[in-house]
Amino acid sequence: DTAVSQTPKYLVTQMGNDKSIKCEQNLGHDTMYWYKQDSKKFLKIMFSYNNKELIINETVPNRFSPKSPDKAHLNLHINSLELGDSAVYFCASSWTTGGYNEQFFGPGTRLTVL
Amino acid sequence: AQSVTQLDSQVPVFEEAPVELRCNYSSSVSVYLFWYVQYPNQGLQLLLKYLSGSTLVKSINGFEAEFNKSQTSFHLRKPSVHISDTAEYFCAVSVAGGTSYGKLTFGQGTILTVHP
Repeated sequence: DTAVSQTPKYLVTQMGNDKSIKCEQNLGHDTMYWYKQDSKKFLKIMFSYNNKELIINETVPNRFSPKSPDKAHLNLHINSLELGDSAVYFCASSWTTGGYNEQFFGPGTRLTVL
Repeated sequence: AQSVTQLDSQVPVFEEAPVELRCNYSSSVSVYLFWYVQYPNQGLQLLLKYLSGSTLVKSINGFEAEFNKSQTSFHLRKPSVHISDTAEYFCAVSVAGGTSYGKLTFGQGTILTVHP
């Protein structure tokens, strides 16, 4: 049974479109994250939610909007997609926000903007 | 702010040889240190972490890392690598205490390729 799952695994779309990536965790964690891994494999945090409350919001364009309907889900909606949004997006989850807990990562969603 | 530098982008080694993947960090506050591994087309998995106490930490599959506060380093080592260790390895830090909200700052990654 997958601990952190993401859908879709691959997403190919045209510039200007709006798309969503879904993330679900069945580990009972109360904190979830979105990371972006660029073409050079550099990983950077985008957002974090704790108990459905936004606690980390890095300098991400406001075209990106996370939504957490409940503790087990954290979705990422992207408006007006741009070429530079092409990347692999990883969802992760952990217990609490203390910084010492292991984060469990999903398999990633490869977004390609044409 | 914290930063992490992995000094080697690629490390090729032969099977059964020892390997060291280097990681240096910069932070004005205390940090927790992590090594994550990413196998091809998969998400990241925690390999080992240093929170406090003994500066030498070990994983179940033979890797170890040593926290060196004076040199701000957390190098990863394995005395004898296997083909299955081929992966990308990421060093990461988070601020110790309750203010980081779990934010991990990653290095650029090191691709370890083990040749037969």
